[in-house]
This record gives sequence, structure tokens and C-alpha cells, in this order.
Amino acid sequence: QQPVQSPQAVILREGEDAVINCSSSKALYSVHWYRQKHGEAPVFLMILLKGGEQKGHEKISASFNEKKQQSSLYLTASQLSYSGTYFCGAGGGNDMRFGAGTRLTVKP
Amino acid sequence: DGGITQSPKYLFRKEGQNVTLSCEQNLNHDAMYWYRQDPGQGLRLIYYSQIVNDFQKGDIAEGYSVSREKKESFPLTVTSAQKNPTAFYLCASSMASGNSYEQYFGPGTRLTVT
Repeated sequence: QQPVQSPQAVILREGEDAVINCSSSKALYSVHWYRQKHGEAPVFLMILLKGGEQKGHEKISASFNEKKQQSSLYLTASQLSYSGTYFCGAGGGNDMRFGAGTRLTVKP
Repeated sequence: DGGITQSPKYLFRKEGQNVTLSCEQNLNHDAMYWYRQDPGQGLRLIYYSQIVNDFQKGDIAEGYSVSREKKESFPLTVTSAQKNPTAFYLCASSMASGNSYEQYFGPGTRLTVT
């Protein structure tokens, strides 16, 4: 039931781009994306809903392929502040299950 | 400022003792959640509550208990029956429990049981 994220970890130089993927074995009605800095609480980034609706931060870009049960988070022109662990959550509310996370490190 | 508070930030207990983790929100959210996070792993749902005086077990509820007597409060008790209680515990809330509502997380409590 837990969605699968890939890659598990990625290291970037400032200014480089990255894509984080999330796939689910069950039908997806929504995908949530969160970022967690070490020892801190996860922070909401974006929700993608079936039918194309999105809500979240303007500077974050993501896609949601309902047919393939996949979502991807696009981080462009990365900054040092983008470092952290990114989690996708499949479903919502009490039905949400989180992936194991993708650790992103941005170096100067 | 609205938000979720968890206390304490760090908690140390001896094996065999029950311990209660506090979670308070002033966001006027109906739904609240407790998650457990272990190193290198995602968040696993312990309990959730959609409204006051109602709560349901999540995926890993064994050894834990909760109460929801007030809308703003959702304390979690880690009992001595929990075999491996050392972990980072996160409380979250959302306006409602549907797919389209983002969750807001508290700062977490790191529990160490020896």
C-alpha cells in the first residue's frame, strides 16, 4: 500500500534540476508532496488531484498521471534551501500512505 | 499565529513506563493524526480522529492509545505494550479528512526508551 519513491537519494549542484518520482500499486485519487528538513516537521508542498486540479506553492512543479498511478515532482534551478527529504503521500486524510522518502542534497 | 504544538521536543523514559505525548492545534481543524517515523523511513499512521470524541486505528496502533475530548487536543499515550517505542512522533491536522486537504505537522517529539 505504501507508494514507492525513486530515487532514494540524489545529490545536486546549485542550479541543477531534479525529478522525484512516486508510484502506487493502487488507484490514486490524489498525491501529496511534503519536504522535511532533518529533525523538523514535514512541510506541505503540493496536492495533485484526480482530474487535474492542483494546489500548492507556485514555484513547485509536479505532474500526476492517473492512468499510470504515478506522480513526479520537478525541482528546477535548485537552491541550497531545497535540501531535505521529500515524501509523497498517496491518497488523503486517514487513507494517506507515505513513501519512504527521497533525500535531496544540494551542494554549492 | 496558528499552528500545531507538540511537547516535549525530547522525551526519555525507562522501559515499562507509559508516556503521553501532547499535541495541540489552534487551526480549528477537524481531523488530527499521529504518525511514527523511524530513521530512513516514511511516516506510518498510528491513529487518526475525524471529529471530537471519535478516533480510529491506523496501520500500527498496537501499543498506543489516544483520546480526543477537545477539538484542539489529541494526546498520544505510548504504553508499555509497545515493543519498540523509540522513534520520532509527529502529530498533524487537516481541515477535514478528504483527499484535497493538506496536512499541517507539528515539530515532533523524539522519544527514547531505554
